Order: sequence, then C-alpha cells, then structure tokens
Amino acid sequence: DAGVIQSPRHEVTEMGQEVTLRCKPISGHNSLFWYRQTMMRGLELLIYFNNNVPIDDSGMPEDRFSAKMPNASFSTLKIQPSEPRDSAVYFCASSSLRDRGTGNTEAFFGQGTRLTVV
Amino acid sequence: KQEVTQIPAALSVPEGENLVLNCSFTDSAIYNLQWFRQDPGKGLTSLLLIQSSQREQTSGRLNASLDKSSGRSTLYIAASQPGDSATYLCAVRRSNYQLIWGAGTKLIIKP
Repeated sequence: DAGVIQSPRHEVTEMGQEVTLRCKPISGHNSLFWYRQTMMRGLELLIYFNNNVPIDDSGMPEDRFSAKMPNASFSTLKIQPSEPRDSAVYFCASSSLRDRGTGNTEAFFGQGTRLTVV
Repeated sequence: KQEVTQIPAALSVPEGENLVLNCSFTDSAIYNLQWFRQDPGKGLTSLLLIQSSQREQTSGRLNASLDKSSGRSTLYIAASQPGDSATYLCAVRRSNYQLIWGAGTKLIIKP
C-alpha cells in the first residue's frame, strides 16, 4: 500500500478564497482523522470519521471549515473563505479499529498539506 | 484531562551516543502509546506502538518502554546517527480514536 496520500502537498492562496484539501486513506482502514499542526498549538484533531461517518467534529475551529467522506477511500477538508490564520500544515491520518480486540490501533499519517493564506 | 509532556524540548548530542527521550502523561487510563518521528517539512512516521498491557517494544536501535502506573514512557535510541535528527513526538490514545499529543523533542545528532 502507498500509505495515506494527501494532495496538494503545498497550497498558497489569497485570503477569501476556497481551499480544498484531499486525502486517500490506507485501503481497508475504517477510521480517518484530519489534524492541523502549527508552531503555536502543535497538533490539533479537527475531525474524526469512522466508517465514513463524522463521529467527532468538535475540533473544527469555525463554520468556515467543513469535511466530507463520501466513500471509504476519499475525504476532503474545505475552508471557505480562507483566512491568513488558517495557515498551517494539515495532516490526514487513518487507522483500523477492526482490531480493537487486540488493541492494534496504530495511526498512519500522510505527508501533509502545507497551506499558506496570504 | 489527559495531558502529555515531553522533556526536554530540544536535545543535542554527539554521534554515537545512546540517548533517552521522555514522555509523561497524567491519566493512566490509556489504550496505547505511540512514538512518531517528524522530519522538517515532512509528515509523521510511526516508530513504535506500545499497547497498554505491554512494557516495551523494540525496533532496530529503538526501544520504547511504558510504565502506566507512573505515567511515563521512554524512547531509547542506541548508537545515535546524524540521520536520527528529527522531532520525536509521543501520543497516547485515551479512547478508541482520540490521540493526545506531546509537544515533541527536537533531537540533533552532531557528526
């Protein structure tokens, strides 16, 4: 498997524009996470999907942020309208919770999307 | 509330030395603990996963230990190399999906 794949790797956009980040989780994984990483706040969980259903979106900072997972192999994180304070690295991660009986819930991360809003 | 602390925030050692990175957490009710490595401008690479019932895990020159009762984990790196230079993060899983992260230790191995 190629691992978690995110696109684009880098995105520079003007304030007010819509930004869409994409993620392809590892095949067979049933959990997907979107994180944001900044120097000031470290890694923050934005939203968690299980079996394509959003379970916890309490980390989504504002209504400008939305996330979808239309199927098991694709998810998007959208920011509309974008603001300079949204500049960060956004990570997608996936894991399998089917093995909860054995406790194996290792999380695998994508390479991230570095977003710069000017 | 679970809090994860990593000390020191930065560490610089000469090549070849053995070293220990520390991670402490306040709530011992965890599912597992995971150590990650992050290179500048890159994603997070999972290094070791220790289940709550385990005491340690080993992978090559890396050994991670877990002491739930004292709320501590250590990552031991043997015979350090310049390629080990990176930021090392620990994260505890407190539920079936929540990862609580430490701020990381930035490690520099001097040739």
